[in-house]
Formats: sequence, structure tokens, C-alpha cells
Amino acid sequence: TQLLEQSPQFLSIQEGENLTVYCNSSSVFSSLQWYRQEPGEGPVLLVTVVTGGEVKKLKRLTFQFGDARKDSSLHITAAQTGDTGLYLCAGASPGNTGKLIFGQGTTLQVKP
Amino acid sequence: KAGVTQTPRYLIKTRGQQVTLSCSPISGHRSVSWYQQTPGQGLQFLFEYFSETQRNKGNFPGRFSGRQFSNSRSEMNVSTLELGDSALYLCASSLGGNSYNEQFFGPGTRLTVL
Repeated sequence: TQLLEQSPQFLSIQEGENLTVYCNSSSVFSSLQWYRQEPGEGPVLLVTVVTGGEVKKLKRLTFQFGDARKDSSLHITAAQTGDTGLYLCAGASPGNTGKLIFGQGTTLQVKP
Repeated sequence: KAGVTQTPRYLIKTRGQQVTLSCSPISGHRSVSWYQQTPGQGLQFLFEYFSETQRNKGNFPGRFSGRQFSNSRSEMNVSTLELGDSALYLCASSLGGNSYNEQFFGPGTRLTVL
């Protein structure tokens, strides 16, 4: 069974601080997607990484895919209150069409 | 482009009833996947439809079923509802060509079983 372990589960920080969220697995993924979800809404896609070692930046967010395509990280620089939400990583397996394996999520609270 | 739409947004049912949820994918997307989200289990994959055929299935009982129409719209049905079926049901659409297609989610249907 494929699993994605996401850590930490909860994070409460002050505005301006930096943070990193990790997703780890023993399985290889063909791609890994990061989502952000607000209460009562569906997840919104932030980024997709597909190549081992790939780094993508989205303003203050930096996403990295591990060289072996088994792990990924999300780093937020100078967090803002608007970054508050649930962050989810999701992996797609080679040949396993339409199915994403989700991590348990990281609830981020950024306090003013 | 319009995003993924799901109807209804909220539903309250009682044990033993059945329910049908609907999902309209992004125009041009041929794959629709369904997920169940609960506080304890997170997001779990139910099934995926592509060109009206179920192409992949998760580990859910046969009470959970779905179908896809020729216009790519999809429906999900849950029969003989149980209390544990209370969850946010999400559908996601993608182009569907291969396993690393990006999935775009709808707002979900919140199902409460009493």
C-alpha cells in the first residue's frame, strides 16, 4: 500500500516567520502535487512537480521534488496571515491513472 | 474556463437511504475522479472514470458506485447509507491522458447521514 507521510500535522507561527512542510514515502511517484484547502471548499492546486530534483517557486512558496521522486517539501518564506489553511501533498503513481495518494495534511495558522 | 462544479453542495440523509451526487468537469477534461474526505482518514480515492468507463477503483464497498456520461459529467451513488458515510465528497477532473495529469477539484458535496 502506498503511503505519503506529511509533517508536521499542525503549525502555528507568527507572521514573517519561515516554515517547511515535508512529504515522505517509500514509493516512487510519477508526479507530486501540492494543494491548499480552505474550510468547506475543495483543494486548490498550487503546483505539480514531475522531475526528480525539480524546484519550483510560486512567489514566497518554494516546492522541491526529491531526486528519487519519493519525497517533496514546501517552504514558505515570510509567512502572511493569508497563507493560513490546510496544505496537502498528493502523489500520482506510474500507470495508476486518476488516483492521487494524499498525505494527511498540514494545518497552518499564521498569526498577526 | 469554468471550474469543476458539484451539486448539491449540502445534503442531509438518514441511515438506509441512498444518495446521488453530480459532478461537471472542466470543459475538455475527460477524466473524473471521486474522493471521500473525513477528519480521521483524510482524502481517500473512490474511483476514476474516463470516456464513460471506470478505469481505476479504490478500496470502498460496493455500496459506492459511479458512472460517467458521454459529455464527461459524472455521478456518484451511495446506497444503504451508514453514519460513517458522512463526509465531504470531492470530484476532480483532469485531461486524463496519463497518470501525472494534474487534477482540479470541485467545491465538494457535504453529506451528513443521521
